[in-house]
Amino acid sequence: GQSLEQPSEVTAVEGAIVQINCTYQTSGFYGLSWYQQHDGGAPTFLSYNALDGLEETGRFSSFLSRSDSYGYLLLQELQMKDSASYFCAAPWTDKLIFGTGTRLQVFP
Amino acid sequence: EAGVAQSPRYKIIEKRQSVAFWCNPISGHATLYWYQQILGQGPKLLIQFQNNGVVDDSQLPKDRFSAERLKGVDSTLKIQPAKLEDSAVYLCASSLAGSWEQYFGPGTRLTVT
Repeated sequence: GQSLEQPSEVTAVEGAIVQINCTYQTSGFYGLSWYQQHDGGAPTFLSYNALDGLEETGRFSSFLSRSDSYGYLLLQELQMKDSASYFCAAPWTDKLIFGTGTRLQVFP
Repeated sequence: EAGVAQSPRYKIIEKRQSVAFWCNPISGHATLYWYQQILGQGPKLLIQFQNNGVVDDSQLPKDRFSAERLKGVDSTLKIQPAKLEDSAVYLCASSLAGSWEQYFGPGTRLTVT
């Protein structure tokens, strides 16, 4: 089987940096994705790490360490609009397994 | 480029009634997914199609849920009869074949009373 664990909630203030962690257990592993979901909205794709290391896309970066079965999403220069739920997800056989989700609240 | 379309957006039914959801994926996307998302949880895959064939339906409660993707484009998901625990958001997503980047529709929020 496969499971991906995340902290349930993270809070931060505007302009700060926040890291959302994801630890996984899997019998097979191809890579790690991140999705953002605003309340009442659809998940939207943020990034996919197929290899170890850091991938940067604007204010968001994603990191993967296969040896540690661990990844994280780093959000810089936080804005109020970043308040949302964030899910890590990993391919397993032919499907995508989603993590438990982290609710990020950004305060002014 | 048009996104994934779903209808209806909201549905309220009584238990034991039936309901159907419709999804139109992004043009050219061979893979289509139906997810169930219960409040506060991550999406759970119900069924995955590659064109009009089923790739994975291991988590679909087949005694009450059914899905089809005729002609490899639009898809419908049906629940009959509905139970209280089916209250959730039903998300449809699509992707290019072989890609893990999935595009989600707005979802259908189902309330079973």
